[in-house]
Amino acid sequence: DTGVSQDPRHKITKRGQNVTFRCDPISEHNRLYWYRQTLGQGPEFLTYFQNEAQLEKSRLLSDRFSAERPKGSFSTLEIQRTEQGDSAMYLCASSAHTGTGVMNTEAFFGQGTRLTVV
Amino acid sequence: DQQVKQNSPSLSVQEGRISILNCDYTNSMFDYFLWYKKYPAEGPTFLISISSIKDKNEDGRFTVFLNKSAKHLSLHIVPSQPGDSAVYFCASLVSGGSYIPTFGRGTSLIVHP
Repeated sequence: DTGVSQDPRHKITKRGQNVTFRCDPISEHNRLYWYRQTLGQGPEFLTYFQNEAQLEKSRLLSDRFSAERPKGSFSTLEIQRTEQGDSAMYLCASSAHTGTGVMNTEAFFGQGTRLTVV
Repeated sequence: DQQVKQNSPSLSVQEGRISILNCDYTNSMFDYFLWYKKYPAEGPTFLISISSIKDKNEDGRFTVFLNKSAKHLSLHIVPSQPGDSAVYFCASLVSGGSYIPTFGRGTSLIVHP
């Protein structure tokens, strides 16, 4: 296992279409995060999973966005009825989280999926 | 409201000199701090971190300093190398809470040969 893998790397879609991205985390990591990054900004938190449970969603995650992690392994992020404002780099990260803080690892990021909505 | 602020969008340094990247935070609950490095078209890569129980952490050419009273941290790179040219993100989190990193906007470092 060489790291966090995201697919596709690039996606161009027409406004109004649905898109789905996939993230495969580092295999022993129980936490999975989704972030969005736009030009000139740092990564902005969207949501995270602890195993298969989605524990937190930011206000950036509108009703058109949905994320799943059905078996606590890979995750998908779907955007319905895409808008031009959805154009961004979507980053996935994973970490090992024990809850005690002592053995938690840093978040390791994938290479991202660059979405362009035309 | 930016809880993690990197007020310098860019920094240019001569090879061999010291690079100092700064970061300020507003949330006093943050107690763990990280620096990530990002090359174009790649995801951020973890570089170095520091817990609030320390004021300095060193790893090779990279040293992070934390001033809790000022809510300020800095990353020192010495000596700087052209391969260090990248965008550097500061991130902070609450270790006893949700442990979700909050990122600054980044500083683009250019190291000239």
